[in-house]
Amino acid sequence: IAGITQAPTSQILAAGRRMTLRCTQDMRHNAMYWYRQDLGLGLRLIHYSNTAGTTGKGEVPDGYSVSRANTDDFPLTLASAVPSQTSVYFCASSDRDNTGELFFGEGSRLTVL
Amino acid sequence: GQNIDQPTEMTATEGAIVQINCTYQTSGFNGLFWYQQHAGEAPTFLSYNVLDGLEEKGRFSSFLSRSKGYSYLLLKELQMKDSASYLCAGVDSNYQLIWGAGTKLIIKP
Repeated sequence: IAGITQAPTSQILAAGRRMTLRCTQDMRHNAMYWYRQDLGLGLRLIHYSNTAGTTGKGEVPDGYSVSRANTDDFPLTLASAVPSQTSVYFCASSDRDNTGELFFGEGSRLTVL
Repeated sequence: GQNIDQPTEMTATEGAIVQINCTYQTSGFNGLFWYQQHAGEAPTFLSYNVLDGLEEKGRFSSFLSRSKGYSYLLLKELQMKDSASYLCAGVDSNYQLIWGAGTKLIIKP
């Protein structure tokens, strides 16, 4: 039972490079989310998708883009990475809106130099 | 603005009881979550309260008072494995999650 799988687990990236964080779930959940987690701050929502084919902006969307071509996959792309995007990124899914339990991936630790 | 407040860090002794408080200010309210996060791992769901009162799940209980904008997580018979961060998150009127910064709980033998 995989749940949510994120890749890569960890990555060091030069500033200005393009990077895609992958997220796949096998629970057939409609809603998927991308969060970043920084020391001393709460989880901050980057982008979300309530169902395949739709996406929305969260609290901190600038510099990031997402797509939701199907139910299972929800990749997050940094078009041109900057050092302030150094963070731990979590993908999550839920079978309904934000009153449902969130299932998180194991996280992707990204360092931008 | 919307805000979730919880203590940054707490220390407790193995076998004891600890209460982690969370106060929230959200535009509207559609429930409150508690998640547990061990260092270097993903958050995992503990509880969801939408009505006032106490809900018990084994050693963990969660309490909500909507009139006071207040919740707490109660952990009994503390074990070393309970050392983790505990995240409080409120759901506002737009069904957006507002997260607190988390409370790091340190358990000492």
